[in-house]
Amino acid sequence: DAKTTQPNSMESNEEEPVHLPCNHSTISGTDYIHWYRQLPSQGPEYVIHGLTSNVNNRMASLAIAEDRKSSTLILHRATLRDAAVYYCILRDPNYGGSQGNLIFGKGTKLSVKP
Amino acid sequence: DTAVSQTPKYLVTQMGNDKSIKCEQNLGHDTMYWYKQDSKKFLKIMFSYNNKELIINETVPNRFSPKSPDKAHLNLHINSLELGDSAVYFCASSPFSRGRGSNYGYTFGSGTRLTVV
Repeated sequence: DAKTTQPNSMESNEEEPVHLPCNHSTISGTDYIHWYRQLPSQGPEYVIHGLTSNVNNRMASLAIAEDRKSSTLILHRATLRDAAVYYCILRDPNYGGSQGNLIFGKGTKLSVKP
Repeated sequence: DTAVSQTPKYLVTQMGNDKSIKCEQNLGHDTMYWYKQDSKKFLKIMFSYNNKELIINETVPNRFSPKSPDKAHLNLHINSLELGDSAVYFCASSPFSRGRGSNYGYTFGSGTRLTVV
């Protein structure tokens, strides 16, 4: 079962930053925060992950609250191609069984307006 | 350069038939997965295999039988297809070893849309 809470949908304007929130109040000390996205008619795609510190990569930035009970995925300049469902997932890499698998929730459907 | 490839992309079949979906990855990963996405877009894990060995079977009916001839392939065979099996099936892989988790990302295929009529 997903242990994260995300808004069902969000809207953004093209070329503006987007902040996608995720609440995970029951996160354990060994849970990593992963973000995936699913573009229409495609498989999910890895975006970013982190543990405690903020993370940046070519796709996005991940801002993690100091108490780790929430995080925010930041797309610095949204493009039409970023319209997708974004999933925030907790994963504990210490588990080799089902607890270590990617368990998807409902995610946030991001719409980008031109 | 396709990392995880699934065939066929679309599959339309009648109830009661038996069908297979193939999956291959060229990433050198040792773990592969099958996920099912139903009409409500909810993604659910079905199986995971590590080095040809079944790790996880998430209460999937035994009409579904995964087969892994080698660690680069994980095929899904479905017997006696039912209307409720209609969904998009995604194959994925990751560098993940049994008993020792990995924090690497999963790479997904583009999916197989199965329609049972």
